[in-house]
Amino acid sequence: GNSVTQMEGPVTLSEEAFLTINCTYTATGYPSLFWYVQYPGEGLQLLLKATKADDKGSNKGFEATYRKETTSFHLEKGSVQVSDSAVYFCALSVIKAAGNKLTFGGGTRVLVKP
Amino acid sequence: DTGVSQDPRHKITKRGQNVTFRCDPISEHNRLYWYRQTLGQGPEFLTYFQNEAQLEKSRLLSDRFSAERPKGSFSTLEIQRTEQGDSAMYLCASSLGSGGTRETEAFFGQGTRLTVV
Repeated sequence: GNSVTQMEGPVTLSEEAFLTINCTYTATGYPSLFWYVQYPGEGLQLLLKATKADDKGSNKGFEATYRKETTSFHLEKGSVQVSDSAVYFCALSVIKAAGNKLTFGGGTRVLVKP
Repeated sequence: DTGVSQDPRHKITKRGQNVTFRCDPISEHNRLYWYRQTLGQGPEFLTYFQNEAQLEKSRLLSDRFSAERPKGSFSTLEIQRTEQGDSAMYLCASSLGSGGTRETEAFFGQGTRLTVV
């Protein structure tokens, strides 16, 4: 079956620090990979995605590269801000005609201190 | 359009009672998903609709759970004879699928938090 494993949090950082959240996956078929973010009191929002090997997704200063050889999709940001404090979820979807349900990792809480 | 909306936002119920949640997707979206998220975990897929047809159900969806999308617009998720283990956040998401495997990103609602006491 499909599964996603991501590093457990919480991750506590100072402002302007470098952030990495590790994510690895197993999938039957060829998945698309996603990072979702959940800010306090808000719903899940798509942060970035990549649909094939070696693709790099990027948004709001965050980046992640689809690495098929290591089955990984690690999230990085060079300089975090307090406003990046949130829970981050790695997810995959194996594209098929009858809907693209998402399989999520357990989430990583990130706290950025001023 | 204001996005995916879910009602109620919070529900506290006694064990054994029935509860029903509603999801209003983005208006032009033909695909609708329900997920369940327990504390400290990622969301888990429950069921999926394309228009009014329920096309997939997870094994997590016991026979106490039923979901409908009668006119291909809003959806309801009912839990009968609630148990404490049903306490969770229930998330709804919608997307637009256009032929074959093409689909927009899934947009999520803020969820309904259920507490069974």
